[in-house]
Amino acid sequence: QQQVKQSPQSLIVQKGGIPIINCAYENTAFDYFPWYQQFPGKGPALLIAIRPDVSEKKEGRFTISFNKSAKQFSLHIMDSQPGDSATYFCAASGRGGADGLTFGKGTHLIIQP
Amino acid sequence: GAGVSQTPSNKVTEKGKYVELRCDPISGHTALYWYRQSLGQGPEFLIYFQGTGAADDSGLPNDRFFAVRPEGSVSTLKIQRTERGDSAVYLCASSLGVADTQYFGPGTRLTVL
Repeated sequence: QQQVKQSPQSLIVQKGGIPIINCAYENTAFDYFPWYQQFPGKGPALLIAIRPDVSEKKEGRFTISFNKSAKQFSLHIMDSQPGDSATYFCAASGRGGADGLTFGKGTHLIIQP
Repeated sequence: GAGVSQTPSNKVTEKGKYVELRCDPISGHTALYWYRQSLGQGPEFLIYFQGTGAADDSGLPNDRFFAVRPEGSVSTLKIQRTERGDSAVYLCASSLGVADTQYFGPGTRLTVL
């Protein structure tokens, strides 16, 4: 059972555009929703995370939108740059993030110059 | 400061052999997580330690997999009678405490021939 569904699998955006990556979850016990960025040969690195008491969170060029009733959340990258080209994973966890993370399958993002 | 380190970075073994993968967490981090990432997939949770004890081992796929953290710092993931399907990148993450950000290491790429 895939508990976190992520789309699209791949995405190509021109420099300066706003890529949007979407995730949906099934487990209502999830209460911590991070996004990770991964470059080839490296481990995932935390970008931004949200808890369900807020509907939006911004950190720099990254924004998470969260819809608790629809059990969906999304990542927006403002003013995207070629250096943002990477694989992005949404994840979810219970007990405020203490549990192991359940990851989506990832989105391979390419920002064209 | 130093991040999470994992050794070896690459391990090639033959089907049926025993392997050990090591994780050195960030100093002072009490929680430690193991994940497995197959090609083109998101990381999959295996086990999590709080201190020396395994708080949740529900992600271990079968009894060939075992992990220890005897002194509450370094952890070793042990795989007996390896199978070709065990080939993946094994990631370790640590966090300062429960529900804190998980910081990932670069992973160990395991190849079972």
